[in-house]
Amino acid sequence: DFVMTQSPDSLAVSLGERATINCKSSRSLLSSRNNKNYLTWYQQKPGQPPKLLIYWASTRESGVPDRFSGSGSGTDFTLTINSLQAEDVAVYYCQHYFDIPLTFGQGTRLEIK
Amino acid sequence: EVQLLESGGGLVQPGGSLRLSCAASGFTFRNYAMNWVRQAPGKGLEWVSIFFRDGSRTAYVDSVKGRFTISRDNSQNTLYLQMNSLRVEDTAIYYCARSLGGEAGEVFDYWGQGTLVTVSS
Repeated sequence: DFVMTQSPDSLAVSLGERATINCKSSRSLLSSRNNKNYLTWYQQKPGQPPKLLIYWASTRESGVPDRFSGSGSGTDFTLTINSLQAEDVAVYYCQHYFDIPLTFGQGTRLEIK
Repeated sequence: EVQLLESGGGLVQPGGSLRLSCAASGFTFRNYAMNWVRQAPGKGLEWVSIFFRDGSRTAYVDSVKGRFTISRDNSQNTLYLQMNSLRVEDTAIYYCARSLGGEAGEVFDYWGQGTLVTVSS
């Protein structure tokens, strides 16, 4: 099974600043078949279900603000939130979809400093 | 508008059973793989099970194999999760989630609001 590890577990960032969340996979998520990384990011606000932000490691879902961006390849990935807004307070999860079982990172809690 | 509405959660004793339902609308249900994902109170997300769109293939996380059964009724646009031999550690909000499909496969693009299952004596 793939083990997904996020860092940090929590972080506090000032409004308007940049937040960076890391996700590391125990095995490469880069497919030799299509040269794509099977990694996605979700945002979960309190009392709500998760919301899809990014898939293929860097493809933004429709409607997601462009201050959210994903990068990385193989085993190391990053979610970057530029110009942090108050509404970005949430827990962020990475997830691989390379094969079954699907697994998530443990989550990173983002707060305002 | 895509909507997923879970129901069937509640309080059950250890060893008991419960059947969850997820009513889907706003899309052609039979064309998508569907999943159950759970979240224990204050904890992270755990994928539980998938019913692939091909009509017969299913898969489970190891911790529920042999106890949980996923099924779907495409005529009723409904996904189910039969949970037997429930354990305290199965306590969680259970979300129904749609797979994006195509090459992206098991990216969850729509989620329901969830239904709470509490296993306690």
